[in-house]
Amino acid sequence: DADVTQTPRNRITKTGKRIMLECSQTKGHDRMYWYRQDPGLGLRLIYYSFDVKDINKGEISDGYSVSRQAQAKFSLSLESAIPNQTALYFCATSEARTGNQPQHFGDGTRLSIL
Amino acid sequence: AQSVTQLGSHVSVSEGALVLLRCNYSSSVPPYLFWYVQYPNQGLQLLLKYTSAATLVKGINGFEAEFKKSETSFHLTKPSAHMSDAAEYFCAVSGPGNTGKLIFGQGTTLQVKP
Repeated sequence: DADVTQTPRNRITKTGKRIMLECSQTKGHDRMYWYRQDPGLGLRLIYYSFDVKDINKGEISDGYSVSRQAQAKFSLSLESAIPNQTALYFCATSEARTGNQPQHFGDGTRLSIL
Repeated sequence: AQSVTQLGSHVSVSEGALVLLRCNYSSSVPPYLFWYVQYPNQGLQLLLKYTSAATLVKGINGFEAEFKKSETSFHLTKPSAHMSDAAEYFCAVSGPGNTGKLIFGQGTTLQVKP
């Protein structure tokens, strides 16, 4: 079983719909992250969380919200989806020691908004 | 502010040839640097990381990278390309403070020709 699991893997929806992407991990890491990947732009950070009560905005948080339901679960919501949110979304985790800890990624959710 | 620049969005090599993927960073503090690889329909997988212990870092699958402070570079190399190396490669620098946040480069797609 994967250490970081994202659901769904693919989603097609319409403009204006509310969407939730889910992430769960079995690595026991405190820190969790949500990124979006766009061609030619690399990965950009949307939100990150150090623990259940500590959630922070990343560089592109507008139009997104998150919920850290438990240490192992971190969900990303698009309240009213728009076409330019079409992207590949990744969840990642890391240990909470120092900045040199690598992140561990899920396989991504490919989201298309029509 | 920290940033990462990957020179060349696409690199093509012949099987058996040297692989060189370029990464330059900007950081006001000693950086932690990472290389990740992304195979089709998968998440990012850590290739190697630099954490100041040694300037030449060896990673998985025969890859290595050399940290050159004077050139602010962290180029990724492999002496002999294999068909299975075809993927997208990302260089990343750890953000300021102990947040564990990563700032990614734009990515380089490596094509390996038979």
